[in-house]
Amino acid sequence: DAGITQSPRHKVTETGTPVTLRCHQTENHRYMYWYRQDPGHGLRLIHYSYGVKDTDKGEVSDGYSVSRSKTEDFLLTLESATSSQTSVYFCAISGSGRGYGYTFGSGTRLTVV
Amino acid sequence: ELKVEQNPLFLSMQEGKNYTIYCNYSTTSDRLYWYRQDPGKSLESLFVLLSNGAVKQEGRLMASLDTKARLSTLHITAAVHDLSATYFCAVDTLDSGYSTLTFGKGTMLLVSP
Repeated sequence: DAGITQSPRHKVTETGTPVTLRCHQTENHRYMYWYRQDPGHGLRLIHYSYGVKDTDKGEVSDGYSVSRSKTEDFLLTLESATSSQTSVYFCAISGSGRGYGYTFGSGTRLTVV
Repeated sequence: ELKVEQNPLFLSMQEGKNYTIYCNYSTTSDRLYWYRQDPGKSLESLFVLLSNGAVKQEGRLMASLDTKARLSTLHITAAVHDLSATYFCAVDTLDSGYSTLTFGKGTMLLVSP
């Protein structure tokens, strides 16, 4: 989607290895989010950021960490990947103020073998 | 903990028929979003409902929000095959003072001739 890109788009990794997913935006939006999507669960919030170096946990944050050192980049790290973290990961951005709207990236399909 | 329940989770319709997808949520919110997702794709924003009684229409889809009943509906009129997709509702609430979205599990819609 215009203004938000995720990388990589696909990744296969081995259990126990660290993995970092990147979300990059060009909209200068304050808020950024990481969700995971699994069949039968919809999308669930992992972590979110409300500014540079300001982050908080979501519903399913165990096993994940995030960093935001610049407005445009929000990184999601799996310190030691497990098979239960096989999922599709979506990044989303939102401007300031509630009801501003959320834009989602194209997603990263991660497979942990 | 906020719960967002969509029903039905799967809907098979014939072209030309009408149907309604329901989204119930368990906490106070006056902001609700509807998204469409095609297989392997990202989420596409359909409607943003920002107040009680809000009604939005786009083509064959109409969404409404009743904040008192904590209920949103997505009504499909005279379905066509191109509407086949998964539809998600998402409730916007404040988490530690910042907006986050909580999703329903999605309704997979299949429209056949």
